[in-house]
Amino acid sequence: ETGVTQSPTHLIKTRGQQVTLRCSSQSGHNTVSWYQQALGQGPQFIFQYYREEENGRGNFPPRFSGLQFPNYSSELNVNALELDDSALYLCASSYETHSYEQYFGPGTRLTVT
Amino acid sequence: KQEVTQIPAALSVPEGENLVLNCSFTDSAIYNLQWFRQDPGKGLTSLLLIQSSQREQTSGRLNASLDKSSGRSTLYIAASQPGDSATYLCAVRPRETSGSRLTFGEGTQLTVNP
Repeated sequence: ETGVTQSPTHLIKTRGQQVTLRCSSQSGHNTVSWYQQALGQGPQFIFQYYREEENGRGNFPPRFSGLQFPNYSSELNVNALELDDSALYLCASSYETHSYEQYFGPGTRLTVT
Repeated sequence: KQEVTQIPAALSVPEGENLVLNCSFTDSAIYNLQWFRQDPGKGLTSLLLIQSSQREQTSGRLNASLDKSSGRSTLYIAASQPGDSATYLCAVRPRETSGSRLTFGEGTQLTVNP
């Protein structure tokens, strides 16, 4: 059984650019959630996808968007990057009809300059 | 709106001490509470998950308790070791019919000194 994986590990972008982050769910999981963690803070919920549909969204602007694919992998897209978007982006997967325990990936460190 | 608070923000103890980390939440309508460990710059490792109907969970030297009515959880670490040094986060999941968003505290940064 493979765990949650994320790519890339690190990324440096310039303000105004667009970025795509990727996540592969743990085997057997059908739900993916994305979180943003600023330095020294707890993770903040961005949105969740369940069976390829958005299933809840946190307090993030529309320039944060996502996709979930039939194999339950997922992408997080951020347009018009701002300096405050610099953070660790975490992906978590779960199997909704089970214990709802979420399993996190190693994260992608995004730096916006 | 659910708010999660963790006290203390940082803790430094000598090796071998037993210690307690605290987590409080404002809305008792939760589905479960999860404790995580995070090493610097890394992802989250799940330590313990307590369903709202449970009072505690144990794994090795770790014991987590939940008092839903008072909005509190504690993580007890027995016989602490330098390898326990990390940030510990608690997170609650609301009792909703769909979605499993977690609301996190800001964490307790633990340092165990040899």
